[in-house]
Amino acid sequence: QVQLQESGPGLVKPSETLSLSCTVSGGSISSYYWSWIRQPAGKGLEWIGRIYTSGSTNYNPSLKSRVTMSVDTSKNHFSLKLRSVTAADTAVYYCARVMTVAGNIDYWGQGTLVTVSA
Amino acid sequence: DIQMTQSPSSLSASVGDRVTITCRASQSISSYLNWYQQKPGKAPKLLIYTASSLQSGVPSRFSGSGSGTDFTLTISSLQPEDFATYYCQQSYSLPDTFGQGTKLEIK
Repeated sequence: QVQLQESGPGLVKPSETLSLSCTVSGGSISSYYWSWIRQPAGKGLEWIGRIYTSGSTNYNPSLKSRVTMSVDTSKNHFSLKLRSVTAADTAVYYCARVMTVAGNIDYWGQGTLVTVSA
Repeated sequence: DIQMTQSPSSLSASVGDRVTITCRASQSISSYLNWYQQKPGKAPKLLIYTASSLQSGVPSRFSGSGSGTDFTLTISSLQPEDFATYYCQQSYSLPDTFGQGTKLEIK
């Protein structure tokens, strides 16, 4: 059974960089897309971007200037960096596995709340 | 970006009811439409992918249909554990986009 686990600081100061990691267990990280999705409290889901195991990335244009994703296949994990955060970036951040052909998300992490506050 | 619009935004129903939720795309997305269920404090769970394929382990009372721009999720007989928020997602064109959600509540 594939499991994903997010990790990283729960509190980030405004203008700083949010950094999260997602560790994949129970299966190989290879040959899938891996996504980050966020959800502000009481609101809907926002796709941040995805990375393939080759390192190829696609980002949401609304966040593209501030986002970097990376993958480490040897450690079975992938990461998100979001620069210059503001209070609007406060949300639960999910990492997820994306099926290559259909693009559906079949496995999700439990989510981690990141609060942007001084 | 492709806009996904769900209706209704909220819905009250009773155990045993048949319920239908609609998702409309701002342009054709073929069958690249997925449905998720989310309960409070939990990650979304995949129910249906490519419009009508039932994810493994999901009860058969859930079904999906549609193609192009109009899609539906149907729950044939509501069970107590089905009260949750449902989201559609298009995976036809980047960026992936989600509907705003439909909250299904107990009447």
